[in-house]
Amino acid sequence: QLVLTQSPSASASLGASVKLTCTLSSGHSRHAIAWHQQQPEKGPRYLMKLNSDGSHSKGDGIPDRFSGSSSGAERYLTISSLQSEDEADYYCQTWGSGIRVFGGGTKLTVL
Amino acid sequence: QLQLQESGPGLVKPSETLSLTCTVSGGSISSSSYYWGWIRQPPGKGLEWIGSIYYSGSTSYNPSLKSRVTISVDTSKNQFSLNLSSVTAADTAVYYCARGFNCGGDCYPDNWGQGTLVTVSS
Repeated sequence: QLVLTQSPSASASLGASVKLTCTLSSGHSRHAIAWHQQQPEKGPRYLMKLNSDGSHSKGDGIPDRFSGSSSGAERYLTISSLQSEDEADYYCQTWGSGIRVFGGGTKLTVL
Repeated sequence: QLQLQESGPGLVKPSETLSLTCTVSGGSISSSSYYWGWIRQPPGKGLEWIGSIYYSGSTSYNPSLKSRVTISVDTSKNQFSLNLSSVTAADTAVYYCARGFNCGGDCYPDNWGQGTLVTVSS
């Protein structure tokens, strides 16, 4: 079964970097994923598609501060030079066999 | 610039059918590069994919909702629609329409609507 696992919460200081993790279920380690950001009281925004080899393609207007990487079944979203507007929920999402699956989301707090 | 706008009743009675329409502007719904889909988010919870449609009418649905969901497309109006039957309070959520990138299927949403809250209550 295709499942994505995310830590419920993360925190980091203003100006610092943070690395969020999304883990693919067993047998699905080669799946690409997408990262989406949802700021408080707003709809989600597509950030990037991230492949198993770590290559990624970002959505229009996504700052260079956002980057992705991969290792085995883990997919990462790194945000550098954290700003207050980066405080948001971050969802990973994948697809396969005609369905789409979302992770449970990570709530990022910028201290 | 592509825009997606959800419309429909904000209040639906239990056991009735929830109906929403998404109007696409700034791009053609008939593009072969994209799918068009619905995603929902119950209050305080995460995202749940409902289903998607290609401009040809080909659909795919979340297995957990499949028996109650119908998604249709009207290319002449550049719109697609969601019907969810036999609703209960558990269907109360913000409903988003989204454009899905076609990578050999509906892969990921790359443009989202702003969402519309639908409450199921008598």
